[in-house]
Amino acid sequence: EAGVVQSPRYKIIEKKQPVAFWCNPISGHNTLYWYRQNLGQGPELLIRYENEEAVDDSQLPKDRFSAERLKGVDSTLKIQPAELGDSAVYLCASSLGDRVASDTQYFGPGTRLTVL
Amino acid sequence: SQQGEEDPQALSIQEGENATMNCSYKTSINNLQWYRQNSGRGLVHLILIRSNEREKHSGRLRVTLDTSKKSSSLLITASRAADTASYFCATTSRYSTLTFGKGTMLLVSP
Repeated sequence: EAGVVQSPRYKIIEKKQPVAFWCNPISGHNTLYWYRQNLGQGPELLIRYENEEAVDDSQLPKDRFSAERLKGVDSTLKIQPAELGDSAVYLCASSLGDRVASDTQYFGPGTRLTVL
Repeated sequence: SQQGEEDPQALSIQEGENATMNCSYKTSINNLQWYRQNSGRGLVHLILIRSNEREKHSGRLRVTLDTSKKSSSLLITASRAADTASYFCATTSRYSTLTFGKGTMLLVSP
C-alpha cells in the first residue's frame, strides 16, 4: 500500500516568492493534516481537513498561507509571499478520520523549504 | 505551541543497552503517542497509550503513562544502531489533533 506522497521533496526560493506543496494521502483516509516542523522542534499543526472541510485552521497564518483540498483527496498548501522565517519542513499526514481520538496519523516524507 | 517536553534532549548509548526517554505534558489528554523520525523513513508511529492505561508493550518498546504526574516514558530495550533517530511524544485531546514535544535525539553506537 502506498503511503502519503508529498512533492516536491526540496524547494529553494527567494523571499517574497510564492511556493506550493502538494500532498496525496493514503487511499481511503478522510482526514488530512498539514504540519510545519522547524529545525530542532516537533511538528506543529497548521490545518486539518475532514474530507474537503477545513475543521481546524487556527494555527494557519492566514495572511500568507492558504490551503485547499478539492474533492476531499489531494491537498495543496501555498505560501505567498514567502518570508525567511518560513524555512522549515512541511509535513502532510492522513488518518482514517473516524472521529476516534486514537486515530493514528501516517506522515509523508515532507517538503524541506529553504527561503533565501 | 508545544504540549509535550521530552527529556533528555539527546541520549548516546551503545548497542545492546536500554534507552529511556521521558515526556511531560501540560493539559488533560485522551491518549499519548510516541513517534520516531529519521532521515530515511520520516515520521513513523510507534505506539499509543490511552489515558486509562498505565503501561503498554510493543516488541522492544515499553511505554508507561502517569496521568497524575502528566508524564510518560518510552523504554527501548536491547537497542540497535538502527534505533538511532529522534523520538517525539505527542498528545491528543478532542478529536485527533496531535500536539508534539521537541523530541529526544537518540544515538546508538555499534
